[in-house]
Amino acid sequence: QSALTQPASVSGSPGQSITISCTGTSSDVGGYNYVSWYQQHPGKAPKLMIYDVSNRPSGVSNRFSGSKSGNTASLTISGLQAEDEADYYCSSYTSSSSLVFGGGTKLTVL
Amino acid sequence: EVQLVQSGAEVKKPGESLKISCKGSGYSFTSYWIGWVRQMPGKGLEWMGIIYPGDSDTRYSPSFQGQVTISADKSISTAYLQWSSLKASDTAMYYCARRKGEWELFPWGQGTLVTVSS
Repeated sequence: QSALTQPASVSGSPGQSITISCTGTSSDVGGYNYVSWYQQHPGKAPKLMIYDVSNRPSGVSNRFSGSKSGNTASLTISGLQAEDEADYYCSSYTSSSSLVFGGGTKLTVL
Repeated sequence: EVQLVQSGAEVKKPGESLKISCKGSGYSFTSYWIGWVRQMPGKGLEWMGIIYPGDSDTRYSPSFQGQVTISADKSISTAYLQWSSLKASDTAMYYCARRKGEWELFPWGQGTLVTVSS
């Protein structure tokens, strides 16, 4: 199972919006609405930010939103803040009854 | 509060065996799958496998099948990840996480750093 494809890095200025893409295939992202997004700060464990494509867990800011079109899922962060600077990973359920992660995207807040 | 607490950092030599743990609290441990994720130094997250402590049903990612063993002891609400013969390439941070709903992972343990060096 190949990793999902994410851009290695994205950047934005405070207050701006950014979008991180996560591209898979019809056997994972495109076939199921089980895409999640995780935020990981340096030296910390990942934190769930979005699940089932577009749902936010309790306590996660509504500046974070998720969507999907075909084989590509997206995470959008609006009103960028310095604390959003982190690595972001997508994951998807697969037709092999397993899970696959994206390669990760480093978000830099300029 | 739902919590997963992992065992401490380990330093081992190639060829040695190792078993790390992940203790759940604040929820019914036997009712949720527990997964394991590897993160090699400076790299991304990799799915290793998952276990259902209620009946010990275990599924492995093809990349890790035969390389590690996932187990659980429901009497003490603890899941395990073990190696019979470590390699230098097993050096990584290992996280456990609860599969909360369909396939989202929440919460995560704090991670166990495994260093394998001669």
